[in-house]
Amino acid sequence: SSELTQDPAVSVALGQTVRITCQGDSLGTYYASWYQQKPGQAPLLVFYGKNNRPSGIPDRFSGSSSGNTASLTITGAQAEDEADYYCNSRDTNGNSLFGGGTKLTVL
Amino acid sequence: QLQLQESGPGLVKPSETLTLTCTVSGGSISSTTYYWAWIRQPPGKGLEWIGSFYYSGSTYYNPSLKSRVTISVDTSKSQLSLMLSSVTAADTAVYYCARHRGIVAATTWFDPWGQGTLVTVSS
Repeated sequence: SSELTQDPAVSVALGQTVRITCQGDSLGTYYASWYQQKPGQAPLLVFYGKNNRPSGIPDRFSGSSSGNTASLTITGAQAEDEADYYCNSRDTNGNSLFGGGTKLTVL
Repeated sequence: QLQLQESGPGLVKPSETLTLTCTVSGGSISSTTYYWAWIRQPPGKGLEWIGSFYYSGSTYYNPSLKSRVTISVDTSKSQLSLMLSSVTAADTAVYYCARHRGIVAATTWFDPWGQGTLVTVSS
């Protein structure tokens, strides 16, 4: 199916590691991109492809993929990482897909 | 540094056509490397891709919106436009424009994004 599924909410203790996952059939063929969105702001690209982090994004953000699941890992989560995170990929027709988003709470 | 800025009416009546413009500065909208996209986000909800446009005229539209959407580019003004016809309250959302890369590649991504503009559909 052409859908991407994310857990609605995840929490992590300050300084600990958290993994945010995204599942979908298309991820068996195509890589994901990941976006951070804070309240009232536009989404921000934080990771994309096999191993690409945009300039200015801290190296505590990393991505991985296995089968039909893509993951965004934050190693040593900081208070400023509290946000909504969205995955994105595409289908075989070039249509773009977004996951439903994961709300990350940093405790 | 590439910047995108959306503009348009904040209120549209039901059944009318929503028209938005995205002005691109700091880079060329005629780039052969990128598509240009519209994405929307209803209040309190997730992101929905609307469609993407290549300067040569090639377009990709979300199948669920395809019958109502037209995206175009005015290279002379460096502007991307969105027209969404027959709007209803369900079309109320923040509308973003973004540069879109890799639309037919193994990896696709949107970067950067405009700040977004809220459009409310109401009589």
